[in-house]
Amino acid sequence: EVQLVQSGAEVKKPGESLKISCQGSGYSFSNSWIVWVRRLPGKGLEYMGVIYPDDSDTRYSPSFEGHVTLSVDKSISTAYLRWGSLKASDTAIYYCARHSSTYDFYSGFSYWGQGTLVTVSS
Amino acid sequence: QSVLTQPPSVSGAPGQRVTISCTGSTSNIGAGYDVHWYQQLPEAGPPLLIADNNNRPSGVPDRFSGSKSDTTASLTITGLQAEDEAVYFCQSYDSSLSSYVFGTGTEVTVL
Repeated sequence: EVQLVQSGAEVKKPGESLKISCQGSGYSFSNSWIVWVRRLPGKGLEYMGVIYPDDSDTRYSPSFEGHVTLSVDKSISTAYLRWGSLKASDTAIYYCARHSSTYDFYSGFSYWGQGTLVTVSS
Repeated sequence: QSVLTQPPSVSGAPGQRVTISCTGSTSNIGAGYDVHWYQQLPEAGPPLLIADNNNRPSGVPDRFSGSKSDTTASLTITGLQAEDEAVYFCQSYDSSLSSYVFGTGTEVTVL
């Protein structure tokens, strides 16, 4: 069974750094893209970026490039989303997700983590 | 600023049919990229409701269906049920942005 398990909720102050994680199991982690999606309170879904664990090929949404960093540790089947300096506007739920097909970059996202709530407040 | 536009809300009585549109452009839906639909739940990650324009993943009730034509995709719920009250999102890929894109979201209300 494919599972994506994310790290727990975080409360941070503006300007602090943060790295949240997403551990995959039940499939070949290295050979499936991991997508990160933001869900703002009361609003919609926003694509942030995608990373291919095998070679760390990373592509960012223009809206998030320069503000977040995606990375992976293949040895523990874990993907990371990192902020160097948080803002209050980063308060949201963050999801990792995987495509339904490991071979189709344009397939839908069938598998989702449970989400990580990040609260940024002074 | 989403490049896929959906109506903010649609409503219908139980048993009725409702359709949600997802309007894109020639760099996403019109370029031939598949459209997928998700149902946003209060807490969990949004499950995939319709894949590749019109395919229902295993376990999705057959009252949900999808279609695509030119630069627009649609999600139809035939035989609306109270449990269908949720927010629905379309998603595709945009070649101009080199990025996945989500729709603005549509809230479905069962009257």
